[in-house]
Amino acid sequence: DGGITQSPKYLFRKEGQNVTLSCEQNLNHDAMYWYRQDPGQGLRLIYYSQIVNDFQKGDIAEGYSVSREKKESFPLTVTSAQKNPTAFYLCASSTTGIQYFGAGTRLSVL
Amino acid sequence: AQSVTQPDIHITVSEGASLELRCNYSYGATPYLFWYVQSPGQGLQLLLKYFSGDTLVQGIKGFEAEFKRSQSSFNLRKPSVHWSDAAEYFCAVGAAEYGNKLVFGAGTILRVKS
Repeated sequence: DGGITQSPKYLFRKEGQNVTLSCEQNLNHDAMYWYRQDPGQGLRLIYYSQIVNDFQKGDIAEGYSVSREKKESFPLTVTSAQKNPTAFYLCASSTTGIQYFGAGTRLSVL
Repeated sequence: AQSVTQPDIHITVSEGASLELRCNYSYGATPYLFWYVQSPGQGLQLLLKYFSGDTLVQGIKGFEAEFKRSQSSFNLRKPSVHWSDAAEYFCAVGAAEYGNKLVFGAGTILRVKS
C-alpha cells in the first residue's frame, strides 16, 4: 500500500536529549513537510523539502533539524535546544500541490 | 502575510441536521484551498480541494465547499450530519507562488449529538 509512515507513534524525551522522528513515504513525491500541532493552534510548519538534498526552514524551525538524503525519507530531530517539545508532530508529502499526511508522532517530555 | 481564520472553535449539531463550517483567508496570491479532517490522535485526511474552475466543489463523505472570492471564504457544508462526522476540521490555503506550502486555520471541533 502506498502511504506515509511515521514512527514511533509515541516518543518520550529526557531533559537534554535529542530525539529523531522518522517519516518515510512510498508515494514517489518530491516534496515533504514537517508540522507541529498544539491544541487550538492548528498546524505550524517546521521544515520542508522540495527536492532531495535541499530543505528550507518553516515558521518555527528553532530547536529542530532535518535531513533529506533520500527521496523517501525526511527525518526530524528535536534537539535539546527546543525547550517545549511536547506536541503532536505530523509529516506530509505532496504532489501537484496536494499534501498527504502520516498518522503522526506524539512527543512528550519525561 | 498569509492567514486563515476559522471563527468557530467548537460547533455542536444534532445528528441529521445540516452543517456549515466557516473559513476565511487572507492571501497574496491566487489560492488553492483545502479542507482536511482529523480524528483524535490521527493524521489529516483530505476532504476536498479547490484549485480553479467551478467554485462549488464536492468531496468525500458527502461534504461540499464553495469558494467565494469576493468574500475570501471557503465554507464547508454537509446537508445531513452523521455521528461519525465528529472530528476536527481544518481549512488550509496554499499557492504555487509560495512553493505549495500550506497555511492552516486553527481548526473547528465538531460535536454531534444524538
